[in-house]
Amino acid sequence: DAGVIQSPRHEVTEMGQEVTLRCKPISGHDYLFWYRQTMMRGLELLIYFNNNVPIDDSGMPEDRFSAKMPNASFSTLKIQPSEPRDSAVYFCASSFRTRRSAQHFGDGTRLSIL
Amino acid sequence: DAKTTQPPSMDCAEGRAANLPCNHSTISGNEYVYWYRQIHSQGPQYIIHGLKNNETNEMASLIITEDRKSSTLILPHATLRDTAVYYCPLTQGGSEKLVFGKGTKLTVNP
Repeated sequence: DAGVIQSPRHEVTEMGQEVTLRCKPISGHDYLFWYRQTMMRGLELLIYFNNNVPIDDSGMPEDRFSAKMPNASFSTLKIQPSEPRDSAVYFCASSFRTRRSAQHFGDGTRLSIL
Repeated sequence: DAKTTQPPSMDCAEGRAANLPCNHSTISGNEYVYWYRQIHSQGPQYIIHGLKNNETNEMASLIITEDRKSSTLILPHATLRDTAVYYCPLTQGGSEKLVFGKGTKLTVNP
C-alpha cells in the first residue's frame, strides 16, 4: 500500500520567496495533519483537517502560513513570505476515523530558507 | 494539556529486552497513550497505543499502570535496527491532536 506521499523531499529557497509543500494522504483516510520539526521545538502540530475541513489551526505560527485541503487526496501548506526561521522538516500524516487509530507519517520535506 | 516525561537516552544490548518508560501523571481519562519512533530523519513510525489495558502487537508490548500515570514500552528482543528516538505522545483531551515530548534516544549496542 502507498503511504503518505510528500513533495518535494528537499526545498532550498531564498528568504521572501513563496514555498508550497504538498501532501497526498493514504487513500480512505479522513484526517490529515501537518507537523513541523526543529531541534529547538521538537515535533509540533500545525493544523489538522477532518473530511477536508480545518479543525484546529492553533499551531500555525502566524499569518504567513496557510494550509488547504481542496479534496480528500491532496493538501498544501504554503509559506508566504518565507523567513530563515521557517527552516525545518515538515511532516504530513493521515489517519482513519478516530483517535483510536494510528497517524501514518510521510517522509517529510526538509525546508531550508537562506 | 497533559505532558509526558521520558529519559533523554537509554542503551540496550542487542537481543535483550528494551524497556522504555514514560511518565504521564496528569493524563485525563479519555486520553490515549501512543508510542512512535523516529529513525534518523525519517517520519515518525507508529508502534502501539492503549487507553487502560495492556496491549501487544507484532512490534512491541505496552504496559499501562492501573492509575494510568505511567507506561512502559517493551521491545522484547532489541535489534540494531531498533536504534531510534522513541516518543510517547498523548491525545489532547477529546481531540485528534498528538502532543509530542522530547522522546528517548534508544541505542541498541552489538
